[in-house]
Amino acid sequence: QVQLVESGGGVVQPGRSLRLSCAASGFTFSGYAMHWVRQAPGEGLEWVALIWYDGSNKFYADSVKGRFTISRDNSKNTLYLQMNSLRGEDTAVYYCARDSNSLGDYWGQGTLVTVSS
Amino acid sequence: DVVMTQSPLSLPVTLGQPASISCRSSQSLVHSDGNTYLSWFQQRPGQSPRRLIYKVSNRDSGVPDRFSGSGSGTDFTLKISRVEAEDVGVYYCMQGTHWPPWTFGQGTKVEIK
Repeated sequence: QVQLVESGGGVVQPGRSLRLSCAASGFTFSGYAMHWVRQAPGEGLEWVALIWYDGSNKFYADSVKGRFTISRDNSKNTLYLQMNSLRGEDTAVYYCARDSNSLGDYWGQGTLVTVSS
Repeated sequence: DVVMTQSPLSLPVTLGQPASISCRSSQSLVHSDGNTYLSWFQQRPGQSPRRLIYKVSNRDSGVPDRFSGSGSGTDFTLKISRVEAEDVGVYYCMQGTHWPPWTFGQGTKVEIK
């Protein structure tokens, strides 16, 4: 069965960096584009980034462009989100999600990132 | 960016009764490939989002047939034919036609009266 398991969240000071991982199993990871979506506490869903199945194209929300980098290692069935220059408004649960007939046929359980001094 | 507007934002429902959520987009969601990439998600309390419907009216695997999606252009609806206790949560519409970005509605909170 399809599984997506995020890790790497935690408490980080403003201006610092964090790298999230999403381990995929149960499907051919290299055949699917993948997204990161976040949800601030008590708020709605916000799309963050997309990477194509082969890593050849990447897209970002304006709110993270230039600070976050999405990447993948298809040999390890793993998706990443490198987050630099973190701000308080980046505090959220970060989900990875598969793209099949658009975003989100499968989601991970999420990992919480808290940016605070 | 395409703005997605849901109504109502709060929906008290009676068990066994129907429920309906509306979603409007700021521009037509018909893609140049002929598809309309409008999806609906359910987020139960404390859980990750789960996609219910894709491309307006297609149910994802395992989604009960009491959930249905309809609409076209800029106006879309999610209907629950008979609400069950497990349907409590927040429902989001999302457009995937004009990307980036993919954009979500504000969410509609469904609760039992």
